[in-house]
Amino acid sequence: GAVVSQHPSRVICKSGTSVKIECRSLDFQATTMFWYRQFPKQSLMLMATSNEGSKATYEQGVEKDKFLINHASLTLSTLTVTSAHPEDSSFYICSPSLTDTQYFGPGTRLTVL
Amino acid sequence: SQKIEQNSEALNIQEGKTATLTCNYTNYSPAYLQWYRQDPGRGPVFLLLIRENEKEKRKERLKVTFDTTLKQSLFHITASQPADSATYLCALDDGTGDDKIIFGKGTRLHILP
Repeated sequence: GAVVSQHPSRVICKSGTSVKIECRSLDFQATTMFWYRQFPKQSLMLMATSNEGSKATYEQGVEKDKFLINHASLTLSTLTVTSAHPEDSSFYICSPSLTDTQYFGPGTRLTVL
Repeated sequence: SQKIEQNSEALNIQEGKTATLTCNYTNYSPAYLQWYRQDPGRGPVFLLLIRENEKEKRKERLKVTFDTTLKQSLFHITASQPADSATYLCALDDGTGDDKIIFGKGTRLHILP
């Protein structure tokens, strides 16, 4: 199956700092990238959708100025959590799309102290 | 309102038996439905996709059914093994044609040796 990597896998930061999460599709080119977050015992919630070279589309309730998404190439997308706060602590998962199948990264556990 | 419900938060099944997980949805008209496996601290792994015009799909020990009248999908694991223990997520496209998928909360399956 398709290989997706995320880095870092785990990050702990202080409140107010910014954290960048990288997502790479290693063996295919993804025109669309989805970013999800998952709180404990909850379903994956879509945060935003981005297409290579264009601005991301954010879901209702997700602040675009707080969660910056860059989809610079067909194999790389980044999510930056700016001025992180404890309520941003969650499991962030990227998902590059290939036709009608989405592949998921291993996730990044963010803990904001 | 739109809902995706997976039958139970957790399910215990004896090794060797068939595990059956249920996914019901309300106020969606999905073109397809997917099942994923998620292990703790990991991203989801795609298992099967079934389209609205398909009644049943099989892959090795896995079988998925899709009843668009009942608005329900059943996911079966036959000859279950302890290694099948994981959370299984049902997901469906939101019907808008933009490849967004919506996830259920998942069912934690424990296969007891």
